Amino acid sequence: EIVLTQSPGTLSLSPGERATLSCRGSQSLSSSYLAWYRQTPGQAPRLLIYGTSTRATGIPDRFSGSGSGTDFTLTISRLEPEDFAVYYCQHYGSSLRYTFGQGTKLEIK
Amino acid sequence: QVQLQESGPGLVKPSETLSLTCTVSGASIDSNTFYWAWIRQSPEKGLEWIATINYNGETYFNPSLKSRVTISLDASRTRYSLKLRSMAAADTAVYYCARDRVRWRHFDHWGQGTLVTVSS
Repeated sequence: EIVLTQSPGTLSLSPGERATLSCRGSQSLSSSYLAWYRQTPGQAPRLLIYGTSTRATGIPDRFSGSGSGTDFTLTISRLEPEDFAVYYCQHYGSSLRYTFGQGTKLEIK
Repeated sequence: QVQLQESGPGLVKPSETLSLTCTVSGASIDSNTFYWAWIRQSPEKGLEWIATINYNGETYFNPSLKSRVTISLDASRTRYSLKLRSMAAADTAVYYCARDRVRWRHFDHWGQGTLVTVSS
C-alpha cells in the first residue's frame, strides 16, 4: 500500500507570497496519476492539478505542479485570499487503489 | 454542467446498513470516459476512497472496506448507490460521490457531501 505524506502540515504565509507544498510517496508514484485538490471549509475538494502538472479547467496559472519518482510539489506563485485552504494530493496506484495525503493547511500569517 | 448530489440518512444506528444514492446530471453514466466513485472524509482518517463502479458495472473497492461495501448502478442510469454494512462509530464521516476521469484517474467533479453520523 502506497502512503502519501504531505508537508508541511501547516503553512503560514501572507497574500502575495509564494507557497510550496510537498507530497511524498512511500514508493515511486506514477506521474500520470498524481493530482492535487483544494478544499475550503464546508465544501468538497476541488481538482486543481492532474497528471502532476496539468491545470484543471478554470484553474489560474498561479498554480503549478511538478515532480517525479516519490517527490511531488504544488506551487502557488502569488497567494490570493481564496487560496488559504487545505490542499490534498491524490494518487492512483497499480493495485487499483486511490490514496490521499493527509493534507496541508495553508493559513494566513 | 455536471452535477452530483448525494442523498440518504444523516443518522444511522450501530450495526445497521448505510444506504446512499448519488444522482448524476449533465453527464452520462454510460460513458466509458468516466467511472463513478464514493469517497468519505473524517477528521480521524482524512479523505478515504471507498469504491468505484464503471458503466459496465465493474466494481473496485478499498481493501479495508471491501467486505462491507456494495456499489451499484441504478436501472435509470442516472444514479448509483452505496451500501455500507455493519456501521460503527468509526464510519461517521462526510460521504461524497465523485466522478473519476478514467484516463487520469482523478476526481474532477464532486457532490457537496452528506454527513452521516453513527449513533444509537
